[in-house]
Amino acid sequence: QSALTQPASVSGSPGQSITISCTGTSNDVGAYIYVSWYQQHPGKAPKLIIYDVSNRPSGVSNRFSGSKSGNTASLTISGLQAEDEADYYCSSYTTATTLVFGGGTTLTVL
Amino acid sequence: QVQLQESGPGLVRPSQTLSLTCTVSGGSIGSVPYWWSWIRQYPGKGLEWIGYIYPSGSTYYNPSLKSRVTISVDKSQDQFSLRLNSVTAADTAVYYCARDVRGDGYSFDQWGQGTLITVSS
Repeated sequence: QSALTQPASVSGSPGQSITISCTGTSNDVGAYIYVSWYQQHPGKAPKLIIYDVSNRPSGVSNRFSGSKSGNTASLTISGLQAEDEADYYCSSYTTATTLVFGGGTTLTVL
Repeated sequence: QVQLQESGPGLVRPSQTLSLTCTVSGGSIGSVPYWWSWIRQYPGKGLEWIGYIYPSGSTYYNPSLKSRVTISVDKSQDQFSLRLNSVTAADTAVYYCARDVRGDGYSFDQWGQGTLITVSS
């Protein structure tokens, strides 16, 4: 199984909105709603911020939102804050009953 | 709030077997039906799902690792374990244990802190 494709890096200024894409195939992202997004700060474990394409776990800011169209999922962060600077990973369930992650995107808050 | 803690050797010699244990506290592995997973992160970034186990003992593995991986559970100790055979330098990574959100295996909201495993002679 191949990793999902994410941009290596994105950046934005405080208060702006950014979107990170996650492209897969009809066997993973395109097949199910089971796309998740994780935020990871340096030296920390990943933290789940979106599951089932667009659902936020309790306690996650509503500045984080997710969507999907075809084989591409997206994470949007609105009202960018300095604390949002981190690595972001998508993941998807696959038709082979496995899980696959994206390569990760580094978000820089300018 | 459940907590997960990985434990392992830190350094493994090439061709040897890597063994890791995840100890769960604040909840019993056998009492609630969640999938308990191992996930690793290579130096420099990428995450890779290794596999997971259900309290019943059912397992699913990443096809790229399936021939070398075994995940097992010890409900009496509230632990689950990973064995990875015939390791090489390519297996050097931070290994995380994690629990899924609601028992369907699609996403993980509880993670251990991770343990760095270096494969080197």
